[in-house]
Amino acid sequence: GQQVMQIPQYQHVQEGEDFTTYCNSSTTLSNIQWYKQRPGGHPVFLIQLVKSGEVKKQKRLTFQFGEAKKNSSLHITATQTTDVGTYFCSGGGGADGLTFGKGTHLIIQP
Amino acid sequence: NAGVTQTPKFQVLKTGQSMTLQCAQDMNHEYMSWYRQDPGMGLRLIHYSVGAGITDQGEVPNGYNVSRSTTEDFPLRLLSAAPSQTSVYFCASSYAGQGVKNIQYFGAGTRLSVL
Repeated sequence: GQQVMQIPQYQHVQEGEDFTTYCNSSTTLSNIQWYKQRPGGHPVFLIQLVKSGEVKKQKRLTFQFGEAKKNSSLHITATQTTDVGTYFCSGGGGADGLTFGKGTHLIIQP
Repeated sequence: NAGVTQTPKFQVLKTGQSMTLQCAQDMNHEYMSWYRQDPGMGLRLIHYSVGAGITDQGEVPNGYNVSRSTTEDFPLRLLSAAPSQTSVYFCASSYAGQGVKNIQYFGAGTRLSVL
């Protein structure tokens, strides 16, 4: 299946700072999905992007899908302690969509 | 709807023992998948199924068996447990769709230790 790469693997921020994680693919993706996993929990779906150049917002979270549909980003404005966790991306349709990036661990220092 | 239900939540095995991790979903999803999660390794796909009677291998299938006799159930079998199988196991399900509907719903996970 398609492989997506995520960077960075770990990100430490001070509470209130912004945070961005990136998801990159070597092939064009039909769609991309983002998930969040709280410590000790299970991954939970956040959003799906389908269109080239698409931008979606959920409160302080902004998701972008690249023009070439090969990369995506998740940006959090003014992080809060509730944002702690691991953020995963998954790309492609069908069985390809079953493969995840290794995730970005967000650690927030109060 | 209960969503995706995994049992047990915790399990300790001795090397060489066998066991089955249960997974059931009540959303009539076509796709079901098993993942293992280890520190620094993300979610690695073990086996998946695109419908009853159809299964396929993922990235790390060795040491695990699956079957899909019904749409609802997708058990994962460890035939002879090894310490390397100590991990957190997640089951997930999703619609097949036209490539844009495969949002995954995860179970709460099974934390397995093999001594």
